[in-house]
This record gives sequence, structure tokens and C-alpha cells, in this order.
Amino acid sequence: QVQLQESGPGLVKPSQTLSLTCTVSGDSISSGAYYWSWIRQHPGKGLEWIGYIYYSGSFYYNPSLKSRVTISVDTSKNQFSLKLSSVTAADTAVYYCARDGKRYRDLDYWGQGTLVTVSS
Amino acid sequence: DIQMTQSPSSLSASVGDRVTITCQASQDISYYLNWYQQKPGKAPKLLIYDVSNLATGVPSRFSGSGSGTDFTFTISSLQPEDIATYYCQQYDNLPLTFGQGTRLEIK
Repeated sequence: QVQLQESGPGLVKPSQTLSLTCTVSGDSISSGAYYWSWIRQHPGKGLEWIGYIYYSGSFYYNPSLKSRVTISVDTSKNQFSLKLSSVTAADTAVYYCARDGKRYRDLDYWGQGTLVTVSS
Repeated sequence: DIQMTQSPSSLSASVGDRVTITCQASQDISYYLNWYQQKPGKAPKLLIYDVSNLATGVPSRFSGSGSGTDFTFTISSLQPEDIATYYCQQYDNLPLTFGQGTRLEIK
């Protein structure tokens, strides 16, 4: 049973860096069979794909966030992480991690999501 | 970015009804489309990939069709547990983009 679990602070101050980690169980990131993505959802709104990382470290970031986003991978811990710098209230959202199929880009397993609020 | 537009934005239907949601892409995306279901307070769940392929364990009352710019998602007989918001997602070009969602309610 594949499971993903997001972890990190639920409250971040404006201008600081949001940091989240996704721990994967039931699958191995280093197998190379999947990409690993981050997605966010503003309160009451739709889904915004942030970007993905591959076990090798290759990545892609959504151009809308590219200047502030870093996604990294730690295969020894079977984790991947998201950093979003210079946050504002507009970054308040539920952040999800998900397993991302290479062929169909189908996000087939998701974490439960974590609400990150940007506020002083 | 490829823009995905769903219609309607919300929909009210009765149990047993046939429900159809459309998704239009701002450019030709061939067959590169997936559908998700999201219930309140939960993560999205993959329902359909590659336009018409049901994800594992998804009931056969769900189906999808289309190609190019116009796609359709159908529930053949609405069940109470289908109350959710549905999203389409294109993967023809990065970044991956989603429709704005269609909220489905029981009449």
C-alpha cells in the first residue's frame, strides 16, 4: 500500500521560507518508476501543480513559482521536499505531495495534505 | 500554459441521473487528459487517466471520452457517494494544469 505523508510547519511568517517534506512508504523513490510532485490548493479554490522531482534529481518547476521554488529528493530516507521562499499571504494553501506517473502524468497516490498559513 | 475550462462550474442532480461534465483545452492536447474526484477535506483521487481508462478500483459507472480540445466525463447513474468536486488535468505540456473544478451536488 503506497502512502505519502506531508510534514512541516503549519504557520510561516511573511517573507520567510515554507519547508515541507513528503515521506513515501510502500514504494521506493529510487526505483525510478515515477516522478514525485507537489500540488497546492488555495482555500476553496482549484488545484495548482507546483512541480516534480525525479530520483536522479532532475526536476521541473511551474514557471509561475519557479523563482521561489526548490524541490529536492533524499532517496536514502525515501523523502522529497518542497521549499518556497519569500512567502506572502497568497501562498496560504493546502499543500499536497503525490506520486506522478511518467507515462500518463496521472497523480495516483496523494498525501492527505497539509494546510500552511502565512501570517505574522 | 494550457488553460483547461470545465463546465458547468456546479451541477445539481438526482440519484440515478446521468451526469456529464465537459472540459475544454485552450489548445489541442490529443488524448493527454486525466480526471480526479475530490471530496470535502480530502485529497483528490484519480478516477480516469489517458481520457478513458479507469484507475484501479474505480466503478464502471464513471467514464471519459474525447480528444483534441474537447473532453467529457460521465457518471452513468449518480450515487450519493459521488458528491464531490471533479477536476480534469492535462499532461500534453508542462506545467500540468487543471480545470477549475465542477462541484456536483445532490438535488
